[in-house]
Amino acid sequence: GENVEQHPSTLSVQEGDSAVIKCTYSDSASNYFPWYKQELGKRPQLIIDIRSNVGEKKDQRIAVTLNKTAKHFSLHITETQPEDSAVYFCAASGFQKLVFGTGTRLLVSP
Amino acid sequence: NAGVMQNPRHLVRRRGQEARLRCSPMKGHSHVYWYRQLPEEGLKFMVYLQKENIIDESGMPKERFSAEFPKEGPSILRIQQVVRGDSAAYFCASSSGGNGANTEAFFGQGTRLTVV
Repeated sequence: GENVEQHPSTLSVQEGDSAVIKCTYSDSASNYFPWYKQELGKRPQLIIDIRSNVGEKKDQRIAVTLNKTAKHFSLHITETQPEDSAVYFCAASGFQKLVFGTGTRLLVSP
Repeated sequence: NAGVMQNPRHLVRRRGQEARLRCSPMKGHSHVYWYRQLPEEGLKFMVYLQKENIIDESGMPKERFSAEFPKEGPSILRIQQVVRGDSAAYFCASSSGGNGANTEAFFGQGTRLTVV
């Protein structure tokens, strides 16, 4: 089955810096890669996703890149703000279910 | 569109009792997933259901746990004879499906189960 690894587990940055979170997946059949943000005590919320026919996708300060050959994908947040502080999860999906990474706790200090 | 609705939000059960968690998917969604999240940990897949069918239950413990998604009504995750280790947040997500599971999945608020 699919296995998703996520790094780093924690990431501290200063406000205005960029943050990068990386994930690798094992199943070459996976073709959908969403990213979720989870604030303390709340539900995971979809922030951006990418499909395997695209190499990069951007939405304002957030971008995701996908390298199918290497089977890894990354989340990039530019000009970070304190409200970006949360746990971020990557996930991979083939035809059955979303398998999640272990999460990255992002702390943005003012 | 009310989104994915889970109830109850909080559930306290004594050891040995049964816990029933409910999930109503978003309107138009026929695919439901259940995940378990322990404090400070990630989202562990439990089961994937479509109406009246269990598609993948590879993440479900072999005993005491069951799930259903009937033709009418919400999806139910049932935990029999709960133990303290079952204490966790249980999240339900739904998607419209389409080509397999490759459409956006939206999460409910979760049910926080505490076993005392």
